[in-house]
Amino acid sequence: GQQLNQSPQSMFIQEGEDVSMNCTSSSIFNTWLWYKQDPGEGPVLLIALYKAGELTSNGRLTAQFGITRKDSFLNISASIPSDVGIYFCAGQGGSNYKLTFGKGTLLTVNP
Amino acid sequence: EAQVTQNPRYLITVTGKKLTVTCSQNMNHEYMSWYRQDPGLGLRQIYYSMNVEVTDKGDVPEGYKVSRKEKRNFPLILESPSPNQTSLYFCASSRRGGEKLFFGSGTQLSVL
Repeated sequence: GQQLNQSPQSMFIQEGEDVSMNCTSSSIFNTWLWYKQDPGEGPVLLIALYKAGELTSNGRLTAQFGITRKDSFLNISASIPSDVGIYFCAGQGGSNYKLTFGKGTLLTVNP
Repeated sequence: EAQVTQNPRYLITVTGKKLTVTCSQNMNHEYMSWYRQDPGLGLRQIYYSMNVEVTDKGDVPEGYKVSRKEKRNFPLILESPSPNQTSLYFCASSRRGGEKLFFGSGTQLSVL
């Protein structure tokens, strides 16, 4: 089946630094989604991407749908302590509408 | 408020004792799904439902059952729980198949 490789697995950064994470796939996806999971909660949708090459921002977050349709990137600028959590990418492709999730990037921000 | 509600939030049980985790959504979504989250493995899909009376297996369906008799409810049933089903479970729904999933707050299950 489809697999997503998400990297890095974890990041430890200082407050104010920028963050980049990415997901790559062996298959083409029609939709890329980025979620954030706060400790003790369910994942919450951050950004949805629907077109190859699309670049979308949500506040300090920016995500891109790779032109090959096999990858996506999430950048967080000027990180703050509340950015702590697990970030998941998810891709959807094919006729079964299934979302495939990456294994997550654990982000720790030191104040 | 639009939400996906799971109950219970925490559950400790013993091997073999049947249990049900309930899930309800108030957004009139057609698509609902169950995931389990384990350290280092991310979110893995257990079962999903495209609409009422339509359910299908995800990646890890063994040991689980689901039903979708009404649009808003999608309970997860463990007929004979085993310790390897100790996990954090999430129910999710979306307007239609596979896009913009809304997640519940999770159910932490421990099977002793």
